[in-house]
Amino acid sequence: DGGITQSPKYLFRKEGQNVTLSCEQNLNHDAMYWYRQDPGQGLRLIYYSQIVNDFQKGDIAEGYSVSREKKESFPLTVTSAQKNPTAFYLCASSMGGGARELFFGEGSRLTVL
Amino acid sequence: QQQVKQSPQSLIVQKGGIPIINCAYENTAFDYFPWYQQFPGKGPALLIAIRPDVSEKKEGRFTISFNKSAKQFSLHIMDSQPGDSATYFCAADGTASKLTFGTGTRLQVTL
Repeated sequence: DGGITQSPKYLFRKEGQNVTLSCEQNLNHDAMYWYRQDPGQGLRLIYYSQIVNDFQKGDIAEGYSVSREKKESFPLTVTSAQKNPTAFYLCASSMGGGARELFFGEGSRLTVL
Repeated sequence: QQQVKQSPQSLIVQKGGIPIINCAYENTAFDYFPWYQQFPGKGPALLIAIRPDVSEKKEGRFTISFNKSAKQFSLHIMDSQPGDSATYFCAADGTASKLTFGTGTRLQVTL
């Protein structure tokens, strides 16, 4: 079955450590996105990528980094510079080329102790 | 800067009731307005979407009403069921091809 796989589902880290969240899709979608979800704040866009080897900052990119070396993969690194990293992180993809529907993974919950 | 405002934050209705969730936007360049449904521990999934050239769209028990002049749109769920209990997000998109989401409405449908 085609879909988006995020791992790990739950992650605990100590303050000051960098963390990388994995996102893989087998939908052959061109565009991929990372959102952060916090209670009462909805989904906020961190980074997005329309094509391989290119990505753009979203609304809350500070303290995060991404790469897009392969079409199917879009990992997110939460760096120690992110002041409040504890959150639910969602990866999504879309066909691109003007297609609007986002397909989401099941998310990764990061807790920084 | 929040470009899509959603209300209410939470909603409780009895089975068979018609919950209504409202959203308002500011950016007149938005031309696509979807609603996403999210169950606990899962990612959101597209429920229904509308473009500003129509005032209403129905898919099953779900209806979007759109008021372009007021820059508002709403989701109505007819004959609501306990299985509809979820968090609902409105969103908007323009030429930037990246969705801006509302803050979400947690809906509980009781028996």
